[in-house]
Amino acid sequence: AQSVAQPEDQVNVAEGNPLTVKCTYSVSGNPYLFWYVQYPNRGLQFLLKYITGDNLVKGSYGFEAEFNKSQTSFHLKKPSALVSDSALYFCAVRATDSWGKLQFGAGTQVVVTP
Amino acid sequence: DAGITQSPRHKVTETGTPVTLRCHQTENHRYMYWYRQDPGHGLRLIHYSYGVKDTDKGEVSDGYSVSRSKTEDFLLTLESATSSQTSVYFCAIRRGEDTEAFFGQGTRLTVV
Repeated sequence: AQSVAQPEDQVNVAEGNPLTVKCTYSVSGNPYLFWYVQYPNRGLQFLLKYITGDNLVKGSYGFEAEFNKSQTSFHLKKPSALVSDSALYFCAVRATDSWGKLQFGAGTQVVVTP
Repeated sequence: DAGITQSPRHKVTETGTPVTLRCHQTENHRYMYWYRQDPGHGLRLIHYSYGVKDTDKGEVSDGYSVSRSKTEDFLLTLESATSSQTSVYFCAIRRGEDTEAFFGQGTRLTVV
């Protein structure tokens, strides 16, 4: 069985400060890891993924994430947050043999204040 | 939007009535998925399909059925809607083995 934990329901950060959204996972075998963002009344938009290779993954809108196998973590980061980054962020994992089925975390609401 | 259209976008229905949600893709992809989104739970998989007439259950499949008679259409049916099925429903497709899933805009369903 696979699972994902996003330990923070909400993250508050001032504009211009670094943003980190935490994610830990549990999966059998090698994980495929994903981050998605959801703006109000919208669908999920893909930000970035880790499949294999370099542990630091760069994605859309200046976001990046670091895969840490020993800590089973895949934290999302942005060096300088914008007010427009305020949204709901989801971490997701899937096993390599799972027919592409995603297991999502509960989501973290990011609030960036001016 | 990755060529995914969900219909309807909003629906209010009464308890006990059947409801069908439609997901239509224009890109001829093999894998399609139905998820529901509820606060505190993220998204949870209801059913998925890996080809025409090939479907399987996900984590929260009770009370739901699906059909896929054509590659482009994946239908989700609530056989007898209950208030616990009030949710936002998302369809997703996957283009290839190592690719991410792409999501539709969602259907907000309210069961009264």
